[in-house]
Amino acid sequence: GAGVSQSPRYKVAKRGQDVALRCDPISGHVSLFWYQQALGQGPEFLTYFQNEAQLDKSGLPSDRFFAERPEGSVSTLKIQRTQQEDSAVYLCASSLATGGRQPQHFGDGTRLSIL
Amino acid sequence: GENVEQHPSTLSVQEGDSAVIKCTYSDSASNYFPWYKQELGKRPQLIIDIRSNVGEKKDQRIAVTLNKTAKHFSLHITETQPEDSAVYFCAAKEGTGKLIFGQGTTLQVKP
Repeated sequence: GAGVSQSPRYKVAKRGQDVALRCDPISGHVSLFWYQQALGQGPEFLTYFQNEAQLDKSGLPSDRFFAERPEGSVSTLKIQRTQQEDSAVYLCASSLATGGRQPQHFGDGTRLSIL
Repeated sequence: GENVEQHPSTLSVQEGDSAVIKCTYSDSASNYFPWYKQELGKRPQLIIDIRSNVGEKKDQRIAVTLNKTAKHFSLHITETQPEDSAVYFCAAKEGTGKLIFGQGTTLQVKP
């Protein structure tokens, strides 16, 4: 079946603009995670959804970052008033179930560049 | 919270040799440890994982070992090939399911 799909693949925005990044998880996957990956670094956790419920948003760097998953499937990560330090690859991952030790499958990411 | 340390940061081996990457974690409650391979500009790809109730797992040329007492786990790649060249990340699952990643190891396999 199809893997995790993210769009757009690349996004260039001017500082101060708002951006929205989309994630389509694998069909039937309950858990959805967003990570931020800076150049040359490992992914860092941003937020986690179980179905439509956002259970952990402890990794969001500021209140400019907002994520939603209203119907328990597609998720959107929104960044308001973007700043240069927001430039990174934003990765989405999904897993079949919460709890237990289900593997997380990643999308190709959105490479965000703030000018 | 969980903290994962990964070594070495870079590793260069000759084709056919073995490669070993080591990680340590801090939270004794962590019970799931995946390894991801990431090629330049591509998604992290799960290559092997291990759960805390086993000490070793093998899949063809790749193996992972886990020492719960010492809180460290290692990735072993045997008979390395040029296509194994990539960045490898270890991770530990924390709490609700989020993964805490190591800093990554850039593996170069020389033909």
